[in-house]
Amino acid sequence: DAGVTQSPTHLIKTRGQQVTLRCSPKSGHDTVSWYQQALGQGPQFIFQYYEEEERQRGNFPDRFSGHQFPNYSSELNVNALLLGDSALYLCASSLDHKTDTQYFGPGTRLTVL
Amino acid sequence: KQEVTQIPAALSVPEGENLVLNCSFTDSAIYNLQWFRQDPGKGLTSLLLIQSSQREQTSGRLNASLDKSSGRSTLYIAASQPGDSATYLCAECTTSGTYKYIFGTGTRLKVLA
Repeated sequence: DAGVTQSPTHLIKTRGQQVTLRCSPKSGHDTVSWYQQALGQGPQFIFQYYEEEERQRGNFPDRFSGHQFPNYSSELNVNALLLGDSALYLCASSLDHKTDTQYFGPGTRLTVL
Repeated sequence: KQEVTQIPAALSVPEGENLVLNCSFTDSAIYNLQWFRQDPGKGLTSLLLIQSSQREQTSGRLNASLDKSSGRSTLYIAASQPGDSATYLCAECTTSGTYKYIFGTGTRLKVLA
């Protein structure tokens, strides 16, 4: 059984560009959460999706948006990239939005030059 | 404000020592608390999950405790080994809003051979 998978593994962009990160949840999971981890910091909650809708959002600007597909996979989009967006982006999935355990993927390392 | 604090920020110990990592949290609406390990440049590996109704969990040389009344958790590592060197993150799953994790900034552990 595959766990949470994310693509790409690494990504390099320049300021002002747009980026899309992808996440496939663990089999049977319908809820996906996204986190941003800056260097030397703990992950910070960006938003959570279930039933193809954004259910809650952390303190991130509207440049960060997402989508969940009918197969429960999810995308994170970041527009107008800033140097400060450089971070490890982690995706976590859970059985449903009321379930305790979130399983984390390996992350996508985004570097903005 | 929901906040998780980890002390110490960094720790260097000789091999074989028993050690304690500390985590404190402010949100009393705790659903569970999870300890993670993160190797440099990598994603998160879940070590132990403690439900709000539990006092502790054990896995091998690891033992985690939870004291909701004081807002504290500790991770005890017995007989430390160089392979334990990593960053250890504590995360509180809170029921304030949707279920999401609030992370600490981690303790960077180095076990010297």
